[in-house]
Amino acid sequence: GDSVTQMEGPVTLSEEAFLTINCTYTATGYPSLFWYVQYPGEGLQLLLKATKADDKGSNKGFEATYRKETTSFHLEKGSVQVSDSAVYFCALSTSGGSYIPTFGRGTSLIVHP
Amino acid sequence: SAVISQKPSRDICQRGTSLTIQCQVDSQVTMMFWYRQQPGQSLTLIATANQGSEATYESGFVIDKFPISRPNLTFSTLTVSNMSPEDSSIYLCSVEGAQGSNYGYTFGSGTRLTVV
Repeated sequence: GDSVTQMEGPVTLSEEAFLTINCTYTATGYPSLFWYVQYPGEGLQLLLKATKADDKGSNKGFEATYRKETTSFHLEKGSVQVSDSAVYFCALSTSGGSYIPTFGRGTSLIVHP
Repeated sequence: SAVISQKPSRDICQRGTSLTIQCQVDSQVTMMFWYRQQPGQSLTLIATANQGSEATYESGFVIDKFPISRPNLTFSTLTVSNMSPEDSSIYLCSVEGAQGSNYGYTFGSGTRLTVV
């Protein structure tokens, strides 16, 4: 079945540091890929998405590129802020799964001033 | 995209009791989804709720424990019945994004449930 694997957290960084959160996937079929963010005490928000190979999703300074050859969708940001502290979830959806997303376990990011 | 109002935002309940969680969407949607997020874990789909038919439950979840109502295209409830401490989780409702299911989902703010 479909699955998503994320690096374990927490990831702890100083403000303005470079962020990478790794995400790899297995899927039957051609998935769409997503990153969701969950700020403390809130629900999930869609951060960015990519629907085909080599697409780059971007939002709020975050980027992720759909790499079919490595089945990866790593999240990056060049300079993190304290306000980026949250839990980040990688997810995929496929037509075979009726497009209902399959989530990774989430990676907690803590950014210190 | 749709805006979802979910309530209560949190509750502390006694074991053996039941809690009903409500989700109101600001637009009509065909399907609504209920998830559970256990501490430190990912989201697990409980069931899919369609208006006018019984909800479809995922493996490991049953209607007697998690009855769902879907009386119209903008509203759904999830009840957590006969609660035990193992039911302590965040429960979230979700709908497809405005561009369609392949372009992401919108989530409610969640209900943080603690069972004592």
